[in-house]
Amino acid sequence: KAGVTQTPRYLIKTRGQQVTLSCSPISGHRSVSWYQQTPGQGLQFLFEYFSETQRNKGNFPGRFSGRQFSNSRSEMNVSTLELGDSALYLCASRQTDTQYFGPGTRLTVL
Amino acid sequence: AQSVTQLDSHVSVSEGTPVLLRCNYSSSYSPSLFWYVQHPNKGLQLLLKYTSAATLVKGINGFEAEFKKSETSFHLTKPSAHMSDAAEYFCVVSDFQGAQKLVFGQGTRLTINP
Repeated sequence: KAGVTQTPRYLIKTRGQQVTLSCSPISGHRSVSWYQQTPGQGLQFLFEYFSETQRNKGNFPGRFSGRQFSNSRSEMNVSTLELGDSALYLCASRQTDTQYFGPGTRLTVL
Repeated sequence: AQSVTQLDSHVSVSEGTPVLLRCNYSSSYSPSLFWYVQHPNKGLQLLLKYTSAATLVKGINGFEAEFKKSETSFHLTKPSAHMSDAAEYFCVVSDFQGAQKLVFGQGTRLTINP
């Protein structure tokens, strides 16, 4: 089976812009989670989607949002970008209790 | 609430010697525990997981971990380090109550000396 794919792999934006990241889970997996990785805060949970419904949300401001489509693909959106949003954004798809991660999208905010 | 503490931010060993990466956890529930590895500029790869079936868990690439409830520990070991093991390692705890949220340790950077 193909693994989790994320697009784009790299992204450069300026403050105030918005960005949309995409994630395609492993075939047959219905749950997708998003994580933010930064040198200072480490890996932090953003949200989880299952069958197009948000099941769980981390402690992030409302500028961070997501959605899931009927084919289980997921997008996350960050509006009004801040310098501190520069990070590696990782997507994971879940089978039972195990999450499998994609390669990530490296977002740089200038 | 769950939490994870990785006791060493950096471990350095010589090639061919044993590796020990230490992890303590805190959980209100019967936890699922995982070790993931991250090579530079890559995503996270699952090394192994504990889900209460057996206390000694074997993973990929010769790694194993032992769950010790009395010590709330889940240390990762490997008998003989290889240069390709150089990476960042994350100990992770999860509770699965309908939805799943992973809580990560801060990571241990493993350096292998030739």
